[in-house]
Amino acid sequence: AQSVSQHNHHVILSEAASLELGCNYSYGGTVNLFWYVQYPGQHLQLLLKYFSGDPLVKGIKGFEAEFIKSKFSFNLRKPSVQWSDTAEYFCAVKRGGSYIPTFGRGTSLIVHP
Amino acid sequence: DAGITQSPRHKVTETGTPVTLRCHQTENHRYMYWYRQDPGHGLRLIHYSYGVKDTDKGEVSDGYSVSRSKTEDFLLTLESATSSQTSVYFCATNSEASGSSSYNEQFFGPGTRLTVL
Repeated sequence: AQSVSQHNHHVILSEAASLELGCNYSYGGTVNLFWYVQYPGQHLQLLLKYFSGDPLVKGIKGFEAEFIKSKFSFNLRKPSVQWSDTAEYFCAVKRGGSYIPTFGRGTSLIVHP
Repeated sequence: DAGITQSPRHKVTETGTPVTLRCHQTENHRYMYWYRQDPGHGLRLIHYSYGVKDTDKGEVSDGYSVSRSKTEDFLLTLESATSSQTSVYFCATNSEASGSSSYNEQFFGPGTRLTVL
């Protein structure tokens, strides 16, 4: 079975700091990759996704992620975080053609103003 | 956002009682899912459905059953609730419209907070 690892469980940053959250997966075939965000008290919503093509994907709110196939990684980045980015971030992976995702355990991000 | 509603939004119940959570969608998505979210565990799939009357187990299905008699409704039942089932439950759907910008994206409902005493 495939697995998804998010190495940073809790991240605390000050506003304007740069962010990088790690995501690694175990499946070696074609994958669809996702980052979701959950703001406090809310449901998950999509930040960005990668299916094919340019491995650098841009999402909403200034987030981007880079797919590195050789490292089985899909790390999320943002050059300058804001207090409003305080949330929980989830990486998810689907095998190509599948509709059943595997989620990582999530990373809690706290941004201090 | 896809039109996904969950009811109830909050429920407190006692150990041993049956509980049914409802998920309703207006997007006509074929796939629907039930997850539970617990601190330190992220999202774990309980059951999913790939069509009316077509369901399958996820990784934490013990103690749960589901039913889907209509495309728009997906019910999760805890046959005899236990304290370990205290959690936040999320329903989700998946867009299969291959020509859409939301293809293969999951949409989540607002969640149901269940407390089993």
